[in-house]
Amino acid sequence: KQEVTQIPAALSVPEGENLVLNCSFTDSAIYNLQWFRQDPGKGLTSLLLIQSSQREQTSGRLNASLDKSSGRSTLYIAASQPGDSATYLCAVGYPGNQFYFGTGTSLTVIP
Amino acid sequence: DAGVIQSPRHEVTEMGQEVTLRCKPISGHNSLFWYRQTMMRGLELLIYFNNNVPIDDSGMPEDRFSAKMPNASFSTLKIQPSEPRDSAVYFCASLPQGFGNTIYFGEGSWLTVV
Repeated sequence: KQEVTQIPAALSVPEGENLVLNCSFTDSAIYNLQWFRQDPGKGLTSLLLIQSSQREQTSGRLNASLDKSSGRSTLYIAASQPGDSATYLCAVGYPGNQFYFGTGTSLTVIP
Repeated sequence: DAGVIQSPRHEVTEMGQEVTLRCKPISGHNSLFWYRQTMMRGLELLIYFNNNVPIDDSGMPEDRFSAKMPNASFSTLKIQPSEPRDSAVYFCASLPQGFGNTIYFGEGSWLTVV
């Protein structure tokens, strides 16, 4: 079974700080990697999707990078806001529509 | 698009009762997934359908769990009989045909078995 690890499990930062969330995976033969946001009591919302041939993707204040060879992805959030408080999960996609999820990083942005 | 629609959103049932969770995938998506999320184990894949056919059901915990997809717009996950350890959030997700696409999740069905 593929292992996907997210560190840290929880993170608390003051508003305005830049922060980095980490995702690591054991099998580098990935198809793509997605970052999701999950608010309490809600489903998962896709934030960024990186194909295996790409190095990074950007959307607004979010930037996700992918290093297949080292089995790592980072999600960079610039100028954090209280509304960014949520759990962030990464999902690694493999051929055959196999997706493996990390356990998430719970982010709290303090006003 | 209405997104992936799941029902019920919340269910509280007594141990031993049958539970049926329902999912309507996004129109045109040909892959459907059922996941279970708990604090202890995170998100676990239960079963994956492609073009209404079960492709991978290795994550189904035991015979008490069954899933069907009678057509492209509807799927059910049934637990019979339910047990307290089945308490979790059950998510349905769908994926369009092709490679490298985003997977879309429903809001989940929150199940409590007492």
